[in-house]
Formats: sequence, structure tokens, C-alpha cells
Amino acid sequence: EVKLQQSGDELVRPGASVKMSCKASGYTFTDYAMHWVKQSPGQGLEWIGTIIPLIDTTSYNQKFKGKATLTADKSSNTAYMELSRLTSEDSAVYYCARGGTIAAISTAFDYWGQGVMVTVSS
Amino acid sequence: DIQMTQSPSSLPASLGDRVTITCRASQDIGNYLRWFQQKPGKSPRLMIYGATNLANGVPSRFSGSRSGSDYSLTINSLESEDMAIYYCLQHNEYPFTFGSGTKLEIK
Repeated sequence: EVKLQQSGDELVRPGASVKMSCKASGYTFTDYAMHWVKQSPGQGLEWIGTIIPLIDTTSYNQKFKGKATLTADKSSNTAYMELSRLTSEDSAVYYCARGGTIAAISTAFDYWGQGVMVTVSS
Repeated sequence: DIQMTQSPSSLPASLGDRVTITCRASQDIGNYLRWFQQKPGKSPRLMIYGATNLANGVPSRFSGSRSGSDYSLTINSLESEDMAIYYCLQHNEYPFTFGSGTKLEIK
């Protein structure tokens, strides 16, 4: 059974950084990309970026360049996203979602993590 | 960026109704279009991929279609469990972009 288990909710101070994880199981981690998606309170969905764990290649939405950093640890089948210089605009739920294979990176979105709620507050 | 114009934003409907939600792409995206269902407090669920293909486990009352740059999600014989927010996603070109969502609710 494919599962993406994300880390717990975070309460962080403005200006700080936060790093969240997405542990994959039930499939070969390096065979698929991993997408990250933001959902602001009561709002829609925004694609943040995608990482290909096999070759450590990333693609970012220009809007999130400098804000989000995607990494992956092949030894633990875990993808990470770090958000820096947090402001109230970064308060949201962040999801990881399985991407496609090397031949079709942009596809999939077939399995999603449960989401991490990040609250930025002093 | 490719804009996905989704309509309507809200759709009151009765159980048993047939409903259709539409996304219009501002540029050619081929069939790189997916539909998701999201219920309150839950992660999105993939419903349709490749514009017209039913994802695993999705009831056959759901269907997707394409007419030019217009992509539609149709639900036949609406059931109570279908009440949710539906989003389209284009993944033809970076940055991938979602529609603004359609809230399907009981009339």
C-alpha cells in the first residue's frame, strides 16, 4: 500500500524557518518524483515544486523560489521541504503528493500525504 | 503562466442530479489535465487523469471530457458523498496551475 506520511503540525515565529518531511512507503521511492502543494486557509491549491529523488533535480514555481527548498534522502525514502523567512502569508497546509516516473515527471498526484499545517505567529 | 478558469465557483444540486464543472485553459495543455475532489479537513483525491480517464477506485458516475480548451468533470446521479470541492490541475507546463475550485453542495 502506497503511503506518504508527513511530519506534524508546526507553530513557528515570523522570520524563522521550518523543515517538514514526507516519508514514502509501499513503492520504490527513487522511481517517482515528489510534488509539493500549498493550501492557504480557506483557499485553493498552489503547486510549489517537484523533486526527482533519483537525480536530486528540482523544479520550482517562480513564486516559491527563495522561499521553499526541496530535498530528498534516498536512504530513508523521505522527501523534505524547508520554508524560510516565514511570514503570516506562509501560514497554510502543505501537502506532498507522489509525482510521475522519470518518463512522465509531471503526472501522478495519485497519492497525497495528510498535510502539515504551518502557523506563523509570534 | 497558464490560467485555469474554473466555473462555477459554487454549485447547489440535489441528490440524483447530473452536474458538470468546467475548466478553461488559457493555453494549449493537451490532455495534461487532472481533476481532484477535496472534502473538509482531507487531502485532495485524484478523480480523473489525462482529461478523460477514471482514476483507480473512482465510481463510474464520474467522467471527464474535453472540447478544445474546455475540460469538464461530470457527475451522473449525484450522491451525498460527492459533496466536496473539486479542482482541476494543468500539468502540461511549469508552473503547474490549479483551477480556483468548485464547491458542490446540497440544494
